This record gives sequence, structure tokens and C-alpha cells, in this order.
Amino acid sequence: QKEVEQDPGPLSVPEGAIVSLNCTYSNSAFQYFMWYRQYSRKGPELLMYTYSSGNKEDGRFTAQVDKSSKYISLFIRDSQPSDSATYLCAMSAVIRGATNKLIFGTGTLLAVQP
Amino acid sequence: DAGVIQSPRHEVTEMGQEVTLRCKPISGHDYLFWYRQTMMRGLELLIYFNNNVPIDDSGMPEDRFSAKMPNASFSTLKIQPSEPRDSAVYFCASSFSHGMPQYFGPGTRLLVL
Repeated sequence: QKEVEQDPGPLSVPEGAIVSLNCTYSNSAFQYFMWYRQYSRKGPELLMYTYSSGNKEDGRFTAQVDKSSKYISLFIRDSQPSDSATYLCAMSAVIRGATNKLIFGTGTLLAVQP
Repeated sequence: DAGVIQSPRHEVTEMGQEVTLRCKPISGHDYLFWYRQTMMRGLELLIYFNNNVPIDDSGMPEDRFSAKMPNASFSTLKIQPSEPRDSAVYFCASSFSHGMPQYFGPGTRLLVL
């Protein structure tokens, strides 16, 4: 079993829809959770960063972390064609005071149709 | 800030040749990471440095791969000799501290013929 599981998609939605992207994980030590967006032929770009449980909102994007269920989500409101990209979740743990190894999901390919 | 800088952006070489990829991290970031991305395996961590010292190289595929960080503003990833299965996009990333987000460069697209 992989440490981080993410549905690869593709996920196709009409413009204006609410998009829900999800990851599950197995390591209860994970404390830092990130979402990256990667456009075709570009590097991953940090979208959201959260520590421990709870919600974080930034414009049309909301990140949720449920540590009890080992489940994280990214919601995109009023989706636009420019949101079409691969979305990768990533997470890391701090063990014995220091670590910085990010574990990535495989990414979900999102297509927003105009 | 210019972000993480990588060169070259594209590299085409023949099997057996030496390939050197270069990275300049964001100024002030203490951690530097090298990743490889393929369709089959996704994003894989190869090696990472903290304050120019290699911390974890367990992801380096084999002895043909080596990485150095001679100073805080420069790192190289070398493949010698290169093989067709090394064809991938190689990313460099940096972060300020442990637990903090990593910022990626634009990548080097490597094709080994």
C-alpha cells in the first residue's frame, strides 16, 4: 500500500462547477499538507499549505485536513478553464525534530470544459 | 525573487554520454531537493541536501547518478553514463526549513537516445 493515495482521474467538469480533489494517507505522523498545481510541461506550483487539521481558504481554493480519517481535500469553487492542470497532494512529518521529505500523491488530472 | 533556476531546460543526448543538470535554489533556502518525474512512476525524490550536506540519497537509482552542492547557491546532478531509461523530467526544489513548502524549478527535460 502506498503512503499516499490519489485518484489519477482524469476528472472533467463544466466551467463554474465546484471541484473536489482528495487524497488519503496511511502515516499518522504526517503533519504538513500541501497541494501543488502542475500545468503541462511546467514545474509543480505550490497552491495551498496547511499544518495539522482544519481548513484553509485562499480565494476560490479551500484545503481541508481531517487527520482522524487520514484524508485531505482541495475544493475549487467557480472552476475556470485555466484551472485545467494536474493537482498533486503532498505531505511530510517531523520526526525527532527534523525532516523535510515530502511524500507526493500521483496527481489528479483536471479538465475544466468551457 | 527569481525562483529556483534550472539549466538546461532541454537536453538530448546519446546513450553513454555524461549529462550534467544544474540548479540554483532560492536565496536563503537551506534545503535543496532533486526529483525525477515520469508518467509511469510520478514524482520521485532522488536526493536532498541541508546546508549543502547530502542528507538522504536513498532515491538515487544507481551509481551512475551523483549529486553535489559545492555552495549554498549551486547544485549539480550528474548521470554518467546515461541510458535511455533515464529519460524523464528532472526537477530541483528548495525550501526554507524543515516542514516548510518546497518551491520547484521549471525542470530539465532529458531525452537519452
